[in-house]
Amino acid sequence: DTEVTQTPKHLVMGMTNKKSLKCEQHMGHRAMYWYKQKAKKPPELMFVYSYEKLSINESVPSRFSPECPNSSLLNLHLHALQPEDSALYLCASSQDRTGTLYEQYFGPGTRLTVT
Amino acid sequence: TQLLEQSPQFLSIQEGENLTVYCNSSSVFSSLQWYRQEPGEGPVLLVTVVTGGEVKKLKRLTFQFGDARKDSSLHITAAQTGDTGLYLCAGLKTSYDKVIFGPGTSLSVIP
Repeated sequence: DTEVTQTPKHLVMGMTNKKSLKCEQHMGHRAMYWYKQKAKKPPELMFVYSYEKLSINESVPSRFSPECPNSSLLNLHLHALQPEDSALYLCASSQDRTGTLYEQYFGPGTRLTVT
Repeated sequence: TQLLEQSPQFLSIQEGENLTVYCNSSSVFSSLQWYRQEPGEGPVLLVTVVTGGEVKKLKRLTFQFGDARKDSSLHITAAQTGDTGLYLCAGLKTSYDKVIFGPGTSLSVIP
């Protein structure tokens, strides 16, 4: 099973709303990632969790708040977003972060629209 | 400056034709991955290459890692409409402690 699931599939929110994106994997992977992707561009790394601890924050604005409740779950809490934050948000996981264990498996993404 | 470059940026070909996509860098990577992404979906891992000079085949797709581990190519034989998508290469640079993505090659296979 190499499946990463993400909910919701689509999300429309106003600039004053608070919402959360969820990601789950049951592959026993110990690293999980959030990426943001604009149309026809590569994914941009936002956050990395390794063994449930935040390892990398790519200078992401504080209106995005990640959370890793356990080794299988990853959340991204959204608050006071801007229209330019509209994008496809991808979650990924990897067995670890060394050598070939760094192979990342992506979820289908959440299409976020901020109005 | 992009750490990983891909060429061509866009490619439109007829079904049945062959094509090659390139991923180049001036830096050495400890491993390199190729992904295919369809619109509105997440990238799907196709292959990981680790050893310089390594060649891997996945049905009609052939992947090669350069001897110096600075570049890679993806060759598709007899392209099909199902090959349409964004092809991304991604390299692991140990000193960066993260995977670096190339800008992608958008492939359109026309019936």
